[in-house]
Amino acid sequence: ETGVTQSPTHLIKTRGQQVTLRCSSQSGHNTVSWYQQALGQGPQFIFQYYREEENGRGNFPPRFSGLQFPNYSSELNVNALELDDSALYLCASSLDPSVIGTLHFGNGTRLTVT
Amino acid sequence: AQSVTQLDSQVPVFEEAPVELRCNYSSSVSVYLFWYVQYPNQGLQLLLKYLSGSTLVKGINGFEAEFNKSQTSFHLRKPSVHISDTAEYFCAVRGGADGLTFGKGTHLIIQP
Repeated sequence: ETGVTQSPTHLIKTRGQQVTLRCSSQSGHNTVSWYQQALGQGPQFIFQYYREEENGRGNFPPRFSGLQFPNYSSELNVNALELDDSALYLCASSLDPSVIGTLHFGNGTRLTVT
Repeated sequence: AQSVTQLDSQVPVFEEAPVELRCNYSSSVSVYLFWYVQYPNQGLQLLLKYLSGSTLVKGINGFEAEFNKSQTSFHLRKPSVHISDTAEYFCAVRGGADGLTFGKGTHLIIQP
């Protein structure tokens, strides 16, 4: 079975720009969540999508937005980039949105904002 | 709201020695507890999880963890470590629809 894949692997952007990160779910998974991992920190929950609807959100401003498509792939969009947005962005998929579901993580996209 | 404290940012241990990585949590609701491992330049991989039932949970790669409700702890243990266990280990808690809350991680360093 194909695991969670993320693209691109690395990205460099300038402050104020916009960025789109992409994620393909593991086969059979209908739930996708996104996490931000700053250097030396644990991942922080951004939001979760289930059947194309956002159904959970962490403490991130509205300039962080997302989409989930009918094939359950997903995008994370960040507008008006700030230097502090530099981080590893991790996508995770699961069979369903329940709290006990196992999350399967991709290898992440390393975003650098200069 | 939930929070997780990993008491050690770095744990050095000799190869084939036992190791314990400490994790304490706080939560106002019933919790589900997880340990994930992150190898360099990779995503996170689930080691084990506690949902209910037996407080001793066995996971992959010879790891196990014990849930202690009175001490609000979920420490990870392995009786004998290998060089390949060198990685970052994250304890996490989930109590609702707000995703996983992770600790800051513990870097396990295996010395030959």
